[in-house]
Amino acid sequence: SAVISQKPSRDICQRGTSLTIQCQVDSQVTMMFWYRQQPGQSLTLIATANQGSEATYESGFVIDKFPISRPNLTFSTLTVSNMSPEDSSIYLCSTQEAYGYTFGSGTRLTVV
Amino acid sequence: GQQVMQIPQYQHVQEGEDFTTYCNSSTTLSNIQWYKQRPGGHPVFLIQLVKSGEVKKQKRLTFQFGEAKKNSSLHITATQTTDVGTYFCAGLRAGSYQLTFGKGTKLSVIP
Repeated sequence: SAVISQKPSRDICQRGTSLTIQCQVDSQVTMMFWYRQQPGQSLTLIATANQGSEATYESGFVIDKFPISRPNLTFSTLTVSNMSPEDSSIYLCSTQEAYGYTFGSGTRLTVV
Repeated sequence: GQQVMQIPQYQHVQEGEDFTTYCNSSTTLSNIQWYKQRPGGHPVFLIQLVKSGEVKKQKRLTFQFGEAKKNSSLHITATQTTDVGTYFCAGLRAGSYQLTFGKGTKLSVIP
């Protein structure tokens, strides 16, 4: 299965700033997914990123707040913009495999 | 939209006891997947069930997919401390690539 390198693994950020999270996959993948996981909670899909097209956002998530880039088939970034304490969460990228989905190790974001 | 309900939310067991978590979807699924997330870790794929009534085993873990392809269960026999973590089911509808996750069952094993 694919191996995903996600960074940073954690960060503490000031409110009003932005953080860009990167995911690098060791093989070419068509779709990448970005999830948010509040502490102790389930995973919520933020958006789906296809190479060469605009990301598709789920209800409650907008491009201005969570811009996504997908410049090639092995890389994607998610930016959390104009952060507030409510954005404190774990952010995970994921790819679809023949069997199941593979997740990055996650970015634990704390906004102060 | 599609909902996947999972119970129980928490389960505390003595080491050696069995454990079961249940998943119910509001819609018929193309397949259902199970993931394990260790404390501080990320979800790791365990298994995928595709066929109606399918049963799969991985050592002490038994996974079932209901006849209507709307419910599933994960049963662990004789739990060990290494089983600690949160188990998530995730459903996929036909024609969709988006997983819908259940809320997870957090398993604690008391040695």
